[in-house]
Amino acid sequence: DTGVSQDPRHKITKRGQNVTFRCDPISEHNRLYWYRQTLGQGPEFLTYFQNEAQLEKSRLLSDRFSAERPKGSFSTLEIQRTEQGDSAMYLCASSFVDPDYGYTFGSGTRLTVV
Amino acid sequence: ILNVEQSPQSLHVQEGDSTNFTCSFPSSNFYALHWYRWETAKSPEALFVMTLNGDEKKKGRISATLNTKEGYSYLYIKGSQPEDSATYLCAFDSGGSNYKLTFGKGTLLTVNP
Repeated sequence: DTGVSQDPRHKITKRGQNVTFRCDPISEHNRLYWYRQTLGQGPEFLTYFQNEAQLEKSRLLSDRFSAERPKGSFSTLEIQRTEQGDSAMYLCASSFVDPDYGYTFGSGTRLTVV
Repeated sequence: ILNVEQSPQSLHVQEGDSTNFTCSFPSSNFYALHWYRWETAKSPEALFVMTLNGDEKKKGRISATLNTKEGYSYLYIKGSQPEDSATYLCAFDSGGSNYKLTFGKGTLLTVNP
């Protein structure tokens, strides 16, 4: 297992287009998280899965955002009708149920909406 | 809304200097405090997860302390090296059914050779 991988690393899209990001967590980890970081801010929580169940969604996640984790393995985050304000680094992380060792993060997907 | 503050926002030091940063967080509903190091173009890397008041953890030249009663944690780097240059993030975990971390904005450390 080579850690958490995210794809793509960078995405430039036109306003109004839909985009989808993928995250492959560490296979032994039950929990998977999505965070978003905008310029000058710390990462902000978006949503969280335990196995395939999405247990919490932030109010930051408007109706244009949807996340899935089919079969409790990889996860996708889709943004529909992108807006310039969606430009950010989207980080995925995974952990054991008891995250005593912290989260393992991916390198993130940098989204630019033009 | 949880408030996690980090200071300073950025810091420039010379190679060999020792340095420290602060993270302040709510003193109520505390479960854990995480520290991460995030180098440019890489993944944030977990340094420490601290849970007990008075905890002190060490990893090589980096150490951290925790005061949950007053709501602060210090991260120390002894003898900074250029490879320590990164953003250092702390994150508050209130535990329970709230499975999310609240991050500070980070401290950007630059170590000049």
